[in-house]
Amino acid sequence: DQQVKQNSPSLSVQEGRISILNCDYTNSMFDYFLWYKKYPAEGPTFLISISSIKDKNEDGRFTVFLNKSAKHLSLHIVPSQPGDSAVYFCAASESWGADGLTFGKGTHLIIQP
Amino acid sequence: KAGVTQTPRYLIKTRGQQVTLSCSPISGHRSVSWYQQTPGQGLQFLFEYFSETQRNKGNFPGRFSGRQFSNSRSEMNVSTLELGDSALYLCASSSGTTPNYGYTFGSGTRLTVV
Repeated sequence: DQQVKQNSPSLSVQEGRISILNCDYTNSMFDYFLWYKKYPAEGPTFLISISSIKDKNEDGRFTVFLNKSAKHLSLHIVPSQPGDSAVYFCAASESWGADGLTFGKGTHLIIQP
Repeated sequence: KAGVTQTPRYLIKTRGQQVTLSCSPISGHRSVSWYQQTPGQGLQFLFEYFSETQRNKGNFPGRFSGRQFSNSRSEMNVSTLELGDSALYLCASSSGTTPNYGYTFGSGTRLTVV
């Protein structure tokens, strides 16, 4: 049973527009949520995280929103740039430092010029 | 500062053999985790080590094992290899104290079992 789901395998967005990547989870014990970006032949790169006590966290062009009641989080990228084309993974953890991350299967974001 | 280093980058092994993969974390990081990435299952957690102790383990058979040395370097071992063990194995390090910087991943070891 998948505890972290990314229901869109791919997403195409025009350069300069907003990219919104979505993630749903089923485990109400998850306390920390992270987004990673992955290019082919490289390991995932950490983008941004949020803990369950917050509903929003911003870092430059990246904002993560958490809706605990809906068990849903989203990553907003504004404005989208060609270098943002990559696979984005949502991940969650029950207790930081003592549990591994549970990953979604990823969304391939394609930024169109 | 140097990132997470995994060796070797590529490996081809025969069914039934065993393999050892190595990971050197970022200097000062005491937590090392291992993940398996396959097209069908995505990224799955294998285990995590902190200060030479296994802190948590994912849902993998006992053929998968690991250890961590006093300098925080970690090794992962897979015995009696099966075709289904073909995957990208990723190592990640963390200071272990805060999620604000997440885990830093290495580029992985691509294992092919034939």
